[in-house]
Amino acid sequence: GDSVTQMEGPVTLSEEAFLTINCTYTATGYPSLFWYVQYPGEGLQLLLKATKADDKGSNKGFEATYRKETTSFHLEKGSVQVSDSAVYFCALSERGSNYKLTFGKGTLLTVNP
Amino acid sequence: NAGVTQTPKFRILKIGQSMTLQCAQDMNHNYMYWYRQDPGMGLKLIYYSVGAGITDKGEVPNGYNVSRSTTEDFPLRLELAAPSQTSVYFCASSTQRGMGSDTQYFGPGTRLTVL
Repeated sequence: GDSVTQMEGPVTLSEEAFLTINCTYTATGYPSLFWYVQYPGEGLQLLLKATKADDKGSNKGFEATYRKETTSFHLEKGSVQVSDSAVYFCALSERGSNYKLTFGKGTLLTVNP
Repeated sequence: NAGVTQTPKFRILKIGQSMTLQCAQDMNHNYMYWYRQDPGMGLKLIYYSVGAGITDKGEVPNGYNVSRSTTEDFPLRLELAAPSQTSVYFCASSTQRGMGSDTQYFGPGTRLTVL
């Protein structure tokens, strides 16, 4: 079955540091890939997505590139802010599974001033 | 648009009690989902629906039931609450016109504790 493996946390960075959160996946077909973010006390919201190989999703300074050859979708940001402190989830969705999202376990990011 | 709404926000149940978690969306989405989030475990799919009158099991359906009589509403029923059902429950919806690339929109969650 489908699965998503992402970097274990927690991750603690200083403001303006570079961020990478690794994500790899296993899928039977050709999935769409997502990063969702959960701020404290809130539900999940979409951060970015990519639907085909070599697509780059980007939003709020975050980027991730769909790498089919390495089955990866790593999240990066060049300069994190305190307001980026949240839990980040990598996920995939496949047509063959009725578009259900399969999530990684989440990575807690804390950014200190 | 209110998006996806969930009630209640918090609930404490005793073992063996029953309750219904409410979920509604006003975006005319055909797909709706129920997830549970346990600490350090990501989100697991409980049940989902591809349209009114059609539901199916997800990864962890035991102890839960759902119904979908309208496009807007997708309630989740716990019949005999057990401590293992202590979790945060999220409802989500999407259109899936984009064949898997459509965004799922999440509600704010219901925090349930079973004692």
